Amino acid sequence: QKEVEQNSGPLSVPEGAIASLNCTYSDRGSQSFFWYRQYSGKSPELIMSIYSNGDKEDGRFTAQLNKASQYVSLLIRDSQPSDSATYLCAVNMWGFQKLVFGTGTRLLVSP
Amino acid sequence: GAVVSQHPSRVICKSGTSVKIECRSLDFQATTMFWYRQFPKQSLMLMATSNEGSKATYEQGVEKDKFLINHASLTLSTLTVTSAHPEDSSFYICSARDRTQEGTDTQYFGPGTRLTVL
Repeated sequence: QKEVEQNSGPLSVPEGAIASLNCTYSDRGSQSFFWYRQYSGKSPELIMSIYSNGDKEDGRFTAQLNKASQYVSLLIRDSQPSDSATYLCAVNMWGFQKLVFGTGTRLLVSP
Repeated sequence: GAVVSQHPSRVICKSGTSVKIECRSLDFQATTMFWYRQFPKQSLMLMATSNEGSKATYEQGVEKDKFLINHASLTLSTLTVTSAHPEDSSFYICSARDRTQEGTDTQYFGPGTRLTVL
């Protein structure tokens, strides 16, 4: 079992729809959870961080964390073509300095 | 958010030469920096963790004598690719950990360095 799992996609949604990106992780001791966006040929950019169970909203983005189910998700409301990118889920596991990344989900938003 | 810079953004070199890449945290102190490599259409691969004032910790399979890492200050880490060969051509990305954000760790990435070895 991979430590952080994401569906590779592509996830295709029409412009204006809600995009839902999911991530599961294996270590119950994980403390911090992050979503990064990576455009082709560019480095990852931090979108959201979440540390407690529940929802965290920032503009069009909502991160959801459920530690009991070891599940973290990212919702993008009113999706725009400019949101088309690969979204990386990252988890900071207990006792480790490094982040463990999923392989990323490619999102395609069609006009 | 915090800003991390990398220099150079792009480098082309001949096989056998060494290339140094700099990573700087511009508005925060980073006791820990990370170096990643990414091949086209592949995932990020962590190469090493760099702690200020101590030796870097390399991931399994990464040659420490080939990829030299120095983290001499709280805002600067360098990666030197020694005796580069075409198979070292890749996108090298650093990140810096900011421990002041909400009291927990957040990693911010530099813009990356695209290395092409001829």
